[in-house]
Amino acid sequence: DTAVSQTPKYLVTQMGNDKSIKCEQNLGHDTMYWYKQDSKKFLKIMFSYNNKELIINETVPNRFSPKSPDKAHLNLHINSLELGDSAVYFCASSQEVGILGVGENTGELFFGEGSRLTVL
Amino acid sequence: AQSVTQPDIHITVSEGASLELRCNYSYGATPYLFWYVQSPGQGLQLLLKYFSGDTLVQGIKGFEAEFKRSQSSFNLRKPSVHWSDAAEYFCAVGSNYQLIWGAGTKLIIKP
Repeated sequence: DTAVSQTPKYLVTQMGNDKSIKCEQNLGHDTMYWYKQDSKKFLKIMFSYNNKELIINETVPNRFSPKSPDKAHLNLHINSLELGDSAVYFCASSQEVGILGVGENTGELFFGEGSRLTVL
Repeated sequence: AQSVTQPDIHITVSEGASLELRCNYSYGATPYLFWYVQSPGQGLQLLLKYFSGDTLVQGIKGFEAEFKRSQSSFNLRKPSVHWSDAAEYFCAVGSNYQLIWGAGTKLIIKP
């Protein structure tokens, strides 16, 4: 049973299109994240939601819009795709909103397998 | 500014040999330190973490890491690597709400 699942795993599209990536976690976690991993493997956080509320919104173009219909889902919609958006996008979840929680899994992020977006 | 440096972009070791991956950080307060592993085509998985206490931390898959405050380092070690350890390894330092990631070190295993 996959803990954090993302769809699609691969996405190839043309510049200017709009696309969405979906993420679901069945861990009962309160916090979910979107990360972008570029071609050099550098990981950068984009957004974080806690119980459907946005808590981290890094400097990301407003073409990127996260949506959290419930605490188990965090989707990422991207408008007007550009070449530079090509990357692997990772969804992740954690038990608590901060690193300094008290649970056994404190500070641990659980990642999905990633969605590789290629913009042509 | 907070930062994490992994000086080695890639490291090649022979199967059965020992391994040390380096991680240095710059952080103003007590750091919370993590090592994650990313196998090819997979998401990241936590290997181990350091919050406080014993500076030698044991993790999964036979890995350990040692926190050295004087050197601002949190190096990852394994006494004998297996071919299945070939992966990308990421060090991260945590503030209360997010992690700052190193650029990763790719581990290549020679048969």
